[in-house]
Amino acid sequence: GQNIDQPTEMTATEGAIVQINCTYQTSGFNGLFWYQQHAGEAPTFLSYNVLDGLEEKGRFSSFLSRSKGYSYLLLKELQMKDSASYLCAVREDSGAGSYQLTFGKGTKLSVIP
Amino acid sequence: GAVVSQHPSRVICKSGTSVKIECRSLDFQATTMFWYRQFPKQSLMLMATSNEGSKATYEQGVEKDKFLINHASLTLSTLTVTSAHPEDSSFYICSARGDDYEQYFGPGTRLTVT
Repeated sequence: GQNIDQPTEMTATEGAIVQINCTYQTSGFNGLFWYQQHAGEAPTFLSYNVLDGLEEKGRFSSFLSRSKGYSYLLLKELQMKDSASYLCAVREDSGAGSYQLTFGKGTKLSVIP
Repeated sequence: GAVVSQHPSRVICKSGTSVKIECRSLDFQATTMFWYRQFPKQSLMLMATSNEGSKATYEQGVEKDKFLINHASLTLSTLTVTSAHPEDSSFYICSARGDDYEQYFGPGTRLTVT
């Protein structure tokens, strides 16, 4: 099983930088994903980390430390449209070439002017 | 590329009836599809994993006789909610795994049972 923790809500100012943390406990770790989900819509993929370190993609960066069971999503130059829920998801190898993706409860980010 | 569609996007049905939701991978073959359910203000919860040509694997607490999953081809999986009740009202989302092992999500189906 897995235990994934991330803050419930965060508020940040337009143009600023915000870091959303995620901690997890799992066996058979096979990657960590970040998704963005606007209200009433399906999640959209943001990033994927399987090795330690920082992955940068435009205004979004994601960091992973496997030894610490820790990841963060960094959003720079915040825009109003970034107001959404951000879901941390951990992929666990469940054996025989199959895997399972389990989501955290999500962090609702509100960007204010 | 890697587009997943769901149909219908919204459905309202009466209590006791059955509803079928389709999930299609439009431009890739998906050997594995996943069905999730999301209640308001909650995270996605995996209901079942569906592999083409074999029986679905259901998560604990999900009734397999109530939520029938069929993955008859590499591009289509269906979820049928049988004898729906108001508590089944939720946002149902499918995802499909391509050869790149990434999961691509459908747009979701909002089910309301009256």
